Parts: sequence; structure tokens; C-alpha cells
Amino acid sequence: DGGITQSPKYLFRKEGQNVTLSCEQNLNHDAMYWYRQDPGQGLRLIYYSQIVNDFQKGDIAEGYSVSREKKESFPLTVTSAQKNPTAFYLCASGRQRSSTDTQYFGPGTRLTVL
Amino acid sequence: KQEVTQIPAALSVPEGENLVLNCSFTDSAIYNLQWFRQDPGKGLTSLLLIQSSQREQTSGRLNASLDKSSGRSTLYIAASQPGDSATYLCAPLYSGAGSYQLTFGKGTKLSVIP
Repeated sequence: DGGITQSPKYLFRKEGQNVTLSCEQNLNHDAMYWYRQDPGQGLRLIYYSQIVNDFQKGDIAEGYSVSREKKESFPLTVTSAQKNPTAFYLCASGRQRSSTDTQYFGPGTRLTVL
Repeated sequence: KQEVTQIPAALSVPEGENLVLNCSFTDSAIYNLQWFRQDPGKGLTSLLLIQSSQREQTSGRLNASLDKSSGRSTLYIAASQPGDSATYLCAPLYSGAGSYQLTFGKGTKLSVIP
């Protein structure tokens, strides 16, 4: 069963704590992405990775960190430096070798800071 | 920086109606434009991808058009059904920092009333 999985579906965090969101794909895609979505807003790019052991900051990287040690995995850590972390987080992957390639999205993780 | 606007923000129609969703973008140097569907609390599903050289793309009851020079795209839904109720997002693809990147609009929330 191919696709992208994100865990957990819901996550609660106390202020001042770091938390890591999981994203795994078995589509053999080179590129992976993390987006943040706030109510009534479009998706904003946090980080992306085009190849293992390499990643780039997106538009809103401050307060977040990522790693890409394996092709299948692209975890996102929300650090205590992120001032307003409550949001819906979406992971995506794609071949991104040409302009005909689309991105495939996971089901998302809803993070709430208490 | 690419900005994407979707009008209307919300739309409610009776079942069976044909409808049009609008998307405009500021930078016409795009490779393609994609329309996605998002159900509440879920990830995104790609509906249609129009290459920059194409004028339109069709899938079932959906038809998307692209006028790259004027920075506009429309998504036409024929004979709407309650199952079409969702948020529809458009996202042009452009080249940024050596990779293909999507910029998302805020979406149009569609409700089809039985």
C-alpha cells in the first residue's frame, strides 16, 4: 500500500517543549516537503529536501528543524523558538524531476500548544 | 514573490448546478498550475495539472483552464454533487532556489446542498 504516512494525527505540546512530527513515504520519491496550514490560509513551505542529507529552508523556517538521513523519512522538529506553533502540518513528496510531476500529500498532523 | 488569490473564499450551491472557481497569480513565469482538493482535517489530493503550454485539462466533471499571460486559472465543476463539498486550492509551480516550488492560494470552500 503505497503512500505517505504522518504520525501522530493529533499532538499536544506544552509551551517550551520541542516536539517531532514524523513523515514517511514508500513512493521512492527524491523530494520531500513540510508545509504549515493555518485556518483559512493556504499552505506555507517550511522546509524541503531534494535528496538525502540535504535540505533547504522554505518561507517560514524559523523555529523549525529537519533531517533527511533516509530517503523514506523527513521528520520535522518544532522547537520552543517557534512562537506560534499551533497549526496543521502537512508533509508531501514528489519526484520533482520535471514540471509534470505533482506532489503527494500525507494526511497531516494537527499540533496544539497548551 | 508569487502571490495567489482565489475567489470566492466560500461558495454554497444547490446540487446539480455548474460552478466556476477562480484563481489568479502575480508571476506568470510558471511551469504548471495544479488544482487540489482538501477535505476537512485531511491532506490534499491532486485533481488536475495544467502545463504552462496547455490551455485546459479535463478529468470527468472537472475542467481547468489556464491563461498564463493574464495570470488566471479557472476550475469548472459540472453537475455538482454533495460529495464535491470540500476546499479547493490552486497552486502554480515555479522555479525557486534551484527547485520546483508550489505557492498556494487560501482556497475556495465549496458546499453543495442536496
